[in-house]
Amino acid sequence: AQKITQTQPGMFVQEKEAVTLDCTYDTSDQSYGLFWYKQPSSGEMIFLIYQGSYDEQNATEGRYSLNFQKARKSANLVISASQLGDSAMYFCAMREFLSGGYQKVTFGTGTKLQVIP
Amino acid sequence: GAVVSQHPSRVICKSGTSVKIECRSLDFQATTMFWYRQFPKKSLMLMATSNEGSKATYEQGVEKDKFLINHASLTLSTLTVTSAHPEDSSFYICSARPGGAGETGELFFGEGSRLTVL
Repeated sequence: AQKITQTQPGMFVQEKEAVTLDCTYDTSDQSYGLFWYKQPSSGEMIFLIYQGSYDEQNATEGRYSLNFQKARKSANLVISASQLGDSAMYFCAMREFLSGGYQKVTFGTGTKLQVIP
Repeated sequence: GAVVSQHPSRVICKSGTSVKIECRSLDFQATTMFWYRQFPKKSLMLMATSNEGSKATYEQGVEKDKFLINHASLTLSTLTVTSAHPEDSSFYICSARPGGAGETGELFFGEGSRLTVL
């Protein structure tokens, strides 16, 4: 079963508008973390934002905010005031803490965002 | 931010040969590194977790003897694709995180290595 689900394969947004990229996750752990990464066509993975499962406040980083709804197991990314440079693939990922102090990070299938001028 | 360097960025090899990809954390010590494989326009598929000083933990369906991972030091992990076949052609990305157990910080990625097997 998928641990991270991104149901939007592609999204369009008008420049300067806000957009929400959906992410739901599946875990029975109490302690976990959620990431969003951006991958432009060049291939590098750019960290955007992180939310720990015990963080009570929604994470924010500049124009990025993470709408964390723990009971619903969702961690949607909100990008405000979209810019042309925001056009890229966006991946949601979950960090699980395993026994022995190890970690495991798995990624969703991604959402391709295109910003329209 | 922290830097993870991956080398080579592109490699072309003949079928049947072996290829080694290096992943280095340049300004931090990484007890754990992750190796991912990404097909065109697809997500990152976790192949294995590389733990310094111990054996790598492979994901289900990933052949241990095919994809050899060695995490010899706190700053270097290597992925060796043995007896490469054309279907091994892919984009391989490593990632690493600073700190010890329970660290919740950012995961840093290398630039990726594009492998083409002829």
